[in-house]
Formats: sequence, C-alpha cells, structure tokens
Amino acid sequence: DAGVIQSPRHEVTEMGQEVTLRCKPISGHDYLFWYRQTMMRGLELLIYFNNNVPIDDSGMPEDRFSAKMPNASFSTLKIQPSEPRDSAVYFCASSPIWANREDNYGYTFGSGTRLTVV
Amino acid sequence: KNEVEQSPQNLTAQEGEFITINCSYSVGISALHWLQQHPGGGIVSLFMLSSGKKKHGRLIATINIQEKHSSLHITASHPRDSAVYICAVNRYQFYFGTGTSLTVIP
Repeated sequence: DAGVIQSPRHEVTEMGQEVTLRCKPISGHDYLFWYRQTMMRGLELLIYFNNNVPIDDSGMPEDRFSAKMPNASFSTLKIQPSEPRDSAVYFCASSPIWANREDNYGYTFGSGTRLTVV
Repeated sequence: KNEVEQSPQNLTAQEGEFITINCSYSVGISALHWLQQHPGGGIVSLFMLSSGKKKHGRLIATINIQEKHSSLHITASHPRDSAVYICAVNRYQFYFGTGTSLTVIP
C-alpha cells in the first residue's frame, strides 16, 4: 500500500482565495482524520470521519473550513476564503480501528500539505 | 492548564543511552498515542495503547491508567532516533502534548 496520500505537498495562495486539500486514506481504514500543525498551537485535530461520516468537527476553527468524505477513498478539506492565519501544515491520517490491538500502531499519517497564505 | 504535559521539553543524549520521555494527562481517555515527528516534518505513529505495555523494536511504551501517566522508552539510542516525540490522548476529543525534542549525539 502506498500509505496515506496527500496533495498538494505545498500550496501558496493569496488571501481570500479558496484552497482545497486532498487526502487518499489507506484502503480498508475506517477512520480518517484531518490535523493542523503550527508553531504557536502545535498539533490540533480539526475533524474526523468514521466510515465516511463526520463524527467530530469541533476542532474546525470556523465556518470558513469545511471537510467532506464522499467515499471511502477520498476526502477534502476546503478553506474559503483563506486568511494568512490559516498558514500551517495540514496532515491527514487514517486508522483501521480504535482498539488496543497488538498489531495496531495507531494512525498512518500522510506527508502533509504546507499551506502558505499571503 | 494543558490537558497533556510532557517532560522533558528538550533532551540530548549520547548514542547508546537509555532514554525516557514522560507524559501526564488530566482527562479520562480511551487511548494514548505516541507520535514521532522527524526533522523533515513527517509524522509516524509509534504506539496506540490503553493499558499495560507495548514494545516495538527498541521502543517501549507503558501506561498507568490510575496515575494518568505514560512513558516512552528508547533503548540503545541512535542518532536516527533524533526527532520530536508527541504524546496525545483521546476520548471524546483529542489533546496533544507540546512534544519532546530529542537529539542523540554520535
């Protein structure tokens, strides 16, 4: 398996523009997570899905952020309109199960999308 | 007050040393996670545990639910272990520690 695939790797956009980040989870993983990492706030969970259904979006900073998972193999995180304070690295991760199984090391993270809003 | 506290914040060790990173949390949890973030920015999930101990190669993670404390141990440390180690807990929400920056010197 190629792992969790995120695109683009880098995105530079002007304030006010719409930004769409993409994620392809590992096949068979039931959970998908979107995280944001900044120097100031560290890692934050934005939203997570179980079987394509959003379960907890309490971490989504405001209405400018939206996430969808139209099928088991694809998810998007959209920011509209973007602002300079949205500049961060956005990670997507997927996981097969919550349970404390011996062979489950938890999540598999994508390489992240570095977003810069100027 | 942070729900997840890690110590130390920074750690420098000589190659071969035994390393311990600590994580204390103040909320009820379903699971605790140890993550490793490499200097290039990539994140690897090392462990997810809710009780007892797990071992993977030279890495050992333990958790004491009653004391709300977890430790990550690295035996025979190596320069390639140099990274930021992040503790995270979840139940209804996720909480992240600020990370421990480890540098292993040859």
